[in-house]
Amino acid sequence: DVKVTQSSRYLVKRTGEKVFLECVQDMDHENMFWYRQDPGLGLRLIYFSYDVKMKEKGDIPEGYSVSREKKERFSLILESASTNQTSMYLCASSLSFGWETQYFGPGTRLLVL
Amino acid sequence: DQQVKQNSPSLSVQEGRISILNCDYTNSMFDYFLWYKKYPAEGPTFLISISSIKDKNEDGRFTVFLNKSAKHLSLHIVPSQPGDSAVYFCAASEGGSGTYKYIFGTGTRLKVLA
Repeated sequence: DVKVTQSSRYLVKRTGEKVFLECVQDMDHENMFWYRQDPGLGLRLIYFSYDVKMKEKGDIPEGYSVSREKKERFSLILESASTNQTSMYLCASSLSFGWETQYFGPGTRLLVL
Repeated sequence: DQQVKQNSPSLSVQEGRISILNCDYTNSMFDYFLWYKKYPAEGPTFLISISSIKDKNEDGRFTVFLNKSAKHLSLHIVPSQPGDSAVYFCAASEGGSGTYKYIFGTGTRLKVLA
């Protein structure tokens, strides 16, 4: 069974803090993704990775970075959290590109005060 | 510019009746479409997909219809059940080009009334 886990369900941080969101998949998927979901805006892609140590910017990468040191793990880093980064963060993975379903983790709701 | 639009932010339906969720897109290169269901405080779960070579795909109570000329797809749930109450996202991609990218709609919140 497909499984994507995220390290925290809820997180409260202060402005300026460095924040790490972790995602792990156990399906040996090549590709991993980070999205954020905001009301009225749907899901927007922040970064994705198609292989270990490989990353590509999505639609809204500003203020974020990522790390993929192992195939199963993809981390999203907020270098200096800001209030406009308060959001639901969703990690996903897929076996390959093209006609492939993406499988999502449960999400991390981040509040930046 | 929103390439995938779900113009109804919410929908209420009586239990046992049909729920119809709609999605419009603008990019004629999209050839793969998916519906995801999302409960509060959970990640989206894949529901059903359709490629552009088909105009209909069924899976149990869920059917997706694709009208390529109108650039429109719809998800039908028959019969609707209270457990179907969730936010539904449609997503589209240019799967044939091997792209990584899904474009998601803004979601429709479905409420099924018992």
